[in-house]
This record gives sequence, C-alpha cells and structure tokens, in this order.
Amino acid sequence: DAKTTQPTSMDCAEGRAANLPCNHSTISGNEYVYWYRQIHSQGPQYIIHGLKNNETNEMASLIITEDRKSSTLILPHATLRDTAVYYCIVVNTNAGKSTFGDGTTLTVKP
Amino acid sequence: NAGVTQTPKFQVLKTGQSMTLQCAQDMNHEYMSWYRQDPGMGLRLIHYSVGAGITDQGEVPNGYNVSRSTTEDFPLRLLSAAPSQTSVYFCASSYTRTVSNYGYTFGSGTRLTVV
Repeated sequence: DAKTTQPTSMDCAEGRAANLPCNHSTISGNEYVYWYRQIHSQGPQYIIHGLKNNETNEMASLIITEDRKSSTLILPHATLRDTAVYYCIVVNTNAGKSTFGDGTTLTVKP
Repeated sequence: NAGVTQTPKFQVLKTGQSMTLQCAQDMNHEYMSWYRQDPGMGLRLIHYSVGAGITDQGEVPNGYNVSRSTTEDFPLRLLSAAPSQTSVYFCASSYTRTVSNYGYTFGSGTRLTVV
C-alpha cells in the first residue's frame, strides 16, 4: 500500500478554511484516498474519499491533484469542534487492509 | 443502536495474563479489523478479516490472535500480556474489504494497561 506524508500539526482560525495537505507520491491507479479524523481519544470518524475527481460532502471537500500524488482536505469554515487529528490513508481496491500514519493535529483557535 | 461495540472499555492486566477483547458489529459488514494506538501515535493494524473464517496479519500481529467464526464478531486475544501491549485498541468494520462509500466504522476503543 502507498505511504502517506502529512504535516505533524497545523493551526487555523475559527471561521476560516482549514486546508490539510497529504502527499501520496507512490499511489497506484487502483488506490483511493480516504480521510478520517479522531477527536480526543474517540474512534476515528470517516470524512470523505476519492479516486481522481474532486469530491465534496456535508463535512468537507477533497481536492486531488491531476497526477494523484497529493491531495488536500478542505474544511470550509472551521469551528472549534473541528480540532482533531486528521488522517489521510490510501486504500487498495485489491487488498484487505489499510494502514494509518500519525496524521495531522489541527488546532482551531478562536 | 447500529455500530461497532467494543468491550470492555477499560482493562488492567498483570504481565503474563491472557484476555480477549470483544468486538461486535450489527451492520452485516464483511470486513473487520483491529488497530492499536499508543499515546501520541497513529493507529497500527494488528489483524484483519475479510469475511467469516478468513483472517490475516497486519503490521504488528505478534502477541495477538484472532478468529472470525461469525460475520458479527471479531475477538482479539492477548496470549500473554506484556507492558508493551499497554495501548488503546480500536476495532473497525466496513461493508466491503476494499472501497466503501462510508469508510470504516470504528468502535469507541478498549483502554488496556498491563502492569
């Protein structure tokens, strides 16, 4: 499975957009990009996923570069409740396992 | 409520003891997995299962056993607990082994301390 690289931590002002980058330069054609977040010590929560097209749902937007080597998760109007660890992972459509890295700790500040 | 249920929520073990962490889901999910999360770290995959009767190893399988006799249950057994196994354990499930529109559903975790 492709490895992902994320910044260790980021800050964002409340009400502003939070843009969380992820590098997955070794991603292969049948691998999807998934994003999860973990608030405090709770179980991670699914946010969004995509293959090559940009995706949007009620929680966030996912922008994937044309070469698919990186992606950005966008929280359009961050709130204090969005403070969490955000994980970017790749999922192989032919494999049965996914590995998580250390993620990015996003702190939303008033 | 539908979801992934993990029991117990907290557990203290003495070195050398064995125990089973329980995980059950009622969503008819095919795929189930176990992760451990050490303080300040990300999640590491222990074992996973793509269906009843099928299990495989993840990144850190040593010291743990699993079985999948039913679709609903995926217990994790610690054979002889060691302090290095002090961690938070998360169980996750998904409708499919590969790509799912809903991703993984995680349980609330079991916080294990080995003394």
